[in-house]
Amino acid sequence: KAGVTQTPRYLIKTRGQQVTLSCSPISGHRSVSWYQQTPGQGLQFLFEYFSETQRNKGNFPGRFSGRQFSNSRSEMNVSTLELGDSALYLCASSPVGSNQPQHFGDGTRLSIL
Amino acid sequence: QKEVEQDPGPLSVPEGAIVSLNCTYSNSAFQYFMWYRQYSRKGPELLMYTYSSGNKEDGRFTAQVDKSSKYISLFIRDSQPSDSATYLCAMSAGEYGNKLVFGAGTILRVKS
Repeated sequence: KAGVTQTPRYLIKTRGQQVTLSCSPISGHRSVSWYQQTPGQGLQFLFEYFSETQRNKGNFPGRFSGRQFSNSRSEMNVSTLELGDSALYLCASSPVGSNQPQHFGDGTRLSIL
Repeated sequence: QKEVEQDPGPLSVPEGAIVSLNCTYSNSAFQYFMWYRQYSRKGPELLMYTYSSGNKEDGRFTAQVDKSSKYISLFIRDSQPSDSATYLCAMSAGEYGNKLVFGAGTILRVKS
């Protein structure tokens, strides 16, 4: 069974640009969550989507947004990039229902110049 | 103060040692507790998943949860060099979907 797939693996952008990251969950999983990982703040929850609806949201500015498609694939978008947005962005999927274990992809490493 | 506290280490042990990794938390609403292992340049890999207090064993790994003390542990028996990684504790309250709150992660080095 294929795991969570995130594309691209690496991205380099400059300040002020926007970026879109993609996540394909494990087959049959309908919940997709996004996390930001940095050396200083660790892993922080961004948001969760279930059945194409945002079910939960972390404490990030509105520049961070996401969506989920009918096939459960998800994208997250970051607009007006700042240097502090440099991070590993991780996607996790879980089966139907709350509090099922989440399985992570290998992330997208975003570097802002 | 962070909701979840975890000693970042690094923790260095000889091969074959028993490793104890710990987290404390402040939010009494947490009910689901997880341990993840993360290798360099990879995403976190789920090791253990437990609900409420008690012990759970899986091979060389044992997870313990003590909700009265707000304290969780992961024990690794017969540690191997391949266990060298960052170990992350994570927990959720259960009533707000799948939001996980993570500890900072402990870097473990097992020397051969």
